[in-house]
Amino acid sequence: GAVVSQHPSRVICKSGTSVKIECRSLDFQATTMFWYRQFPKKSLMLMATSNEGSKATYEQGVEKDKFLINHASLTLSTLTVTSAHPEDSSFYICSASKLAGGQTQYFGPGTRLLVL
Amino acid sequence: AQTVTQSQPEMSVQEAETVTLSCTYDTSESNYYLFWYKQPPSRQMILVIRQEAYKQQNATENRFSVNFQKAAKSFSLKISDSQLGDTAMYFCAFMKQVGAQKLVFGQGTRLTINP
Repeated sequence: GAVVSQHPSRVICKSGTSVKIECRSLDFQATTMFWYRQFPKKSLMLMATSNEGSKATYEQGVEKDKFLINHASLTLSTLTVTSAHPEDSSFYICSASKLAGGQTQYFGPGTRLLVL
Repeated sequence: AQTVTQSQPEMSVQEAETVTLSCTYDTSESNYYLFWYKQPPSRQMILVIRQEAYKQQNATENRFSVNFQKAAKSFSLKISDSQLGDTAMYFCAFMKQVGAQKLVFGQGTRLTINP
């Protein structure tokens, strides 16, 4: 199997607060994890790529100081939305590729963030 | 830069029918991977099928098969004997073989299977 979990599944927070989303590969070690954002009825937009033990690589236009990514182990990556604002409300999805033979990305179930 | 285009925003068929979803892509790479992912109403992305560009044989997974035309840069998905559970958003995606393993997604096709 290749199961990826995300926590929380949904979160509501007040404007100005920070929110942390966890992404875990449950039954495999992940060399690389990816964070996506998806707007309603739209496709997935890659935000950043993270490798265990190194700094994340952000896509153009993504604020690295707002979206902090930490990839502390081969099974865990976290995305922290700092000083969240209503425009950060979205569906955030992570994915992971396996340590060996890893072109296929396995996706987490997503986290719905609502900033009031 | 690579681009992926899905020209059918929505499709609808009756249960048990066969349906084909279109996907074209643009790249200067010779070696790459192509994927179809399914996103049902739960919003969980599920891998449907994967194709390596160096393989001439079209990939198949049970009721799902692809028609990979490398020269035409086309990668369509055929769903045979469609089932109600196939109702979902379908995304075609491209990944270079060398370098960062980024997926480039198409806009998606919303497929509805009617009883």
